[in-house]
Amino acid sequence: DAGITQSPRHKVTETGTPVTLRCHQTENHRYMYWYRQDPGHGLRLIHYSYGVKDTDKGEVSDGYSVSRSKTEDFLLTLESATSSQTSVYFCAIKGEGTDTQYFGPGTRLTVL
Amino acid sequence: QKEVEQDPGPLSVPEGAIVSLNCTYSNSAFQYFMWYRQYSRKGPELLMYTYSSGNKEDGRFTAQVDKSSKYISLFIRDSQPSDSATYLCAMTGLGNAGGTSYGKLTFGQGTILTVHP
Repeated sequence: DAGITQSPRHKVTETGTPVTLRCHQTENHRYMYWYRQDPGHGLRLIHYSYGVKDTDKGEVSDGYSVSRSKTEDFLLTLESATSSQTSVYFCAIKGEGTDTQYFGPGTRLTVL
Repeated sequence: QKEVEQDPGPLSVPEGAIVSLNCTYSNSAFQYFMWYRQYSRKGPELLMYTYSSGNKEDGRFTAQVDKSSKYISLFIRDSQPSDSATYLCAMTGLGNAGGTSYGKLTFGQGTILTVHP
């Protein structure tokens, strides 16, 4: 298995509270991605990173921000959580010279 | 209209059946095609990877790409109950103006497959 961990694995929070999800890799890969998965939508890209401090928006970035201060960690922050952000969040990594991504185990987030 | 369309199913087949899963896409820049398998409450895992048109076989799995029709398929022979999962197609290619896409994948919505004994 690719060395990817996500924390927390489950979280329940209330509307309006800030939430930070962490993705940690031990593969020293350059590229990291955050997706959300919802019924009927498959996986949708939120933000991605192509190096330390290099990030960009994906398809569904509104309401989310990211940071990457170290190669191994990619943080996803919901500044003020809303019920529409209830979802399963997956982190993925990709090495140089390849197109395939490897996924973490996911974080199940519920916003009440 | 979504860039990648995939019939969500659900698809239910008896053990031993041949399963055909399909995706269509609209972006002609896509060149690299993948199939991921996702078990319930787990992360997606890479199953097959193909570049451009043609077939690729790996054990009971065959991936086909027809770029002229913008159509990709995954065939599972002699299906087993352990194949029960959601299957996601994914694809990527060149970015804007032929530059890098940073490896961003576009996914289909996934097909739920159940193989019953």
